[in-house]
Amino acid sequence: KNEVEQSPQNLTAQEGEFITINCSYSVGISALHWLQQHPGGGIVSLFMLSSGKKKHGRLIATINIQEKHSSLHITASHPRDSAVYICAVFGETSGSRLTFGEGTQLTVNP
Amino acid sequence: DAGITQSPRHKVTETGTPVTLRCHQTENHRYMYWYRQDPGHGLRLIHYSYGVKDTDKGEVSDGYSVSRSKTEDFLLTLESATSSQTSVYFCAISRDSSTGELFFGEGSRLTVL
Repeated sequence: KNEVEQSPQNLTAQEGEFITINCSYSVGISALHWLQQHPGGGIVSLFMLSSGKKKHGRLIATINIQEKHSSLHITASHPRDSAVYICAVFGETSGSRLTFGEGTQLTVNP
Repeated sequence: DAGITQSPRHKVTETGTPVTLRCHQTENHRYMYWYRQDPGHGLRLIHYSYGVKDTDKGEVSDGYSVSRSKTEDFLLTLESATSSQTSVYFCAISRDSSTGELFFGEGSRLTVL
């Protein structure tokens, strides 16, 4: 079992829908990252969380440390949101090493 | 955007040849990382650096070496490339190890024939 599990692996939505991507992890963490990777490969950091909730535009990220779970929400989804979304954690005992989930492929159709 | 560039962006080489990938940053960040990304595996850490001349191995370090002689450059070397090292390689930088934001390079696609 991977230390970081994402669900779903693939998600197709219609433009305007509310989207949720989930990330569960099995270790104590010092921080969790949500990353976005568009076709063509570039990776962008969306959020870094250690507690609570963060919002940036139409994107919201939440984390529940006790339940070892984080969610990424996209409101009013748009075709340009189509990308792979990756969850990654810094374990409390992993030093400077991130552990990555395998990613969620999101496709938003017009 | 953070100043981080990788070179070359694309390379095709033959088995047994040496290959060096370069990561260059203009942010003066302490931490630099090399990852590889393969289908079905996600991103995996090869090596990282926590300062000039300070490096450590990641989970897939066999067959790779690194060097960091100055803050801005982190080199990844494949001493004798193999087909299993065909991958997309990403460099990343961070000011702090576990609490700093991550910035990624654009990736280097390496094909070993």
